[in-house]
Amino acid sequence: NAGVMQNPRHLVRRRGQEARLRCSPMKGHSHVYWYRQLPEEGLKFMVYLQKENIIDESGMPKERFSAEFPKEGPSILRIQQVVRGDSAAYFCASSPPGGPGGELFFGEGSRLTVL
Amino acid sequence: KNEVEQSPQNLTAQEGEFITINCSYSVGISALHWLQQHPGGGIVSLFMLSSGKKKHGRLIATINIQEKHSSLHITASHPRDSAVYICAVERDGGSQGNLIFGKGTKLSVKP
Repeated sequence: NAGVMQNPRHLVRRRGQEARLRCSPMKGHSHVYWYRQLPEEGLKFMVYLQKENIIDESGMPKERFSAEFPKEGPSILRIQQVVRGDSAAYFCASSPPGGPGGELFFGEGSRLTVL
Repeated sequence: KNEVEQSPQNLTAQEGEFITINCSYSVGISALHWLQQHPGGGIVSLFMLSSGKKKHGRLIATINIQEKHSSLHITASHPRDSAVYICAVERDGGSQGNLIFGKGTKLSVKP
């Protein structure tokens, strides 16, 4: 049973380009979460999605960032018109259906560098 | 003041030593998570607990809800335990996975 798969593991973009990060949850998991870890800072929650629904996007920056989890395929975190401050590690986690307090399974992360 | 505080920030130990990492939080919670992150690596969930104590191998996690405090213990520490240990809480009434993270404790175990 494969774990949470994130790709790409490393992504380099120039300012103004778009970055797309993908996350395939563990088999049987229908809940996906995205977190951001800025250099020398702690992790921060970004968004919680279920299939075709955004449940909680309270941690998403208001502009340029969007996330989706379609009926088929991986969850995608999209960053438009990237700036240097977007350089960070982006982690995805998944969990099976259930209420708050469930165990989370994390991916290896995608490391975005903006030149 | 951060809602989740960890201590110490950095910890160096000799192989075989007993290690304790502390986490205090200031909000009501539904669950507390202990995570491990190796340099440049991914995040591994060690424990998720809402009361009492859990044990997995050489790792033990405890939580005191009344005192809003949790500890992570490592017995017979080994150099491969060197990593950053992160405490994170799910706020009571918040959505699943909406975690508030501590800044982490960087552990280095010397052979």
